[in-house]
Amino acid sequence: AQSVSQHNHHVILSEAASLELGCNYSYGGTVNLFWYVQYPGQHLQLLLKYFSGDPLVKGIKGFEAEFIKSKFSFNLRKPSVQWSDTAEYFCAVSSGATNKLIFGTGTLLAVQP
Amino acid sequence: DAGVIQSPRHEVTEMGQEVTLRCKPISGHNSLFWYRQTMMRGLELLIYFNNNVPIDDSGMPEDRFSAKMPNASFSTLKIQPSEPRDSAVYFCASRPDRGGNQPQHFGDGTRLSIL
Repeated sequence: AQSVSQHNHHVILSEAASLELGCNYSYGGTVNLFWYVQYPGQHLQLLLKYFSGDPLVKGIKGFEAEFIKSKFSFNLRKPSVQWSDTAEYFCAVSSGATNKLIFGTGTLLAVQP
Repeated sequence: DAGVIQSPRHEVTEMGQEVTLRCKPISGHNSLFWYRQTMMRGLELLIYFNNNVPIDDSGMPEDRFSAKMPNASFSTLKIQPSEPRDSAVYFCASRPDRGGNQPQHFGDGTRLSIL
């Protein structure tokens, strides 16, 4: 069965620090990969997605993620975080033509001003 | 585009009562998903529909939960009878086609508290 692992449950950073959130998935076939962000009290919003092509994907708000097939990873990065990036971040994967998204448990990011 | 619309935004009720959550997907989206989010279990898929037909309800926790989609623009998730452990945020999401590579669009959620 597919699964998604997010290794960091809580991350605390100071403003301007660099961010990398880990995401690993277990599935051997073709996958579609997503990062969603949930700001406090709000719904999930899409940050970026990977389907095919360039494994380095750029999303909104300066975020990017790199798909490394050999490592089954899709880590999220941002070179310099802001206080407004405080939120919970979810990695998700779907495979092939299925409709189901499998979410990781989320990483709560707190950015200190 | 109004996005996915859920109602109510908040509901507080006593255990044993029937609870009905509502969702209007984005027009033209033919897949609809119901999720439950709690601190303990994170984000769980309860059920999803494609073209108004339930495709996978394996995430529905028990018989007290039921979901319907009578037409392309409306879905309900019902809990009867409700219990305190059902307290959570329930999200509805929709997506435009059957393919797995389209992102889901989420509603604002219903924060449910069962006393």
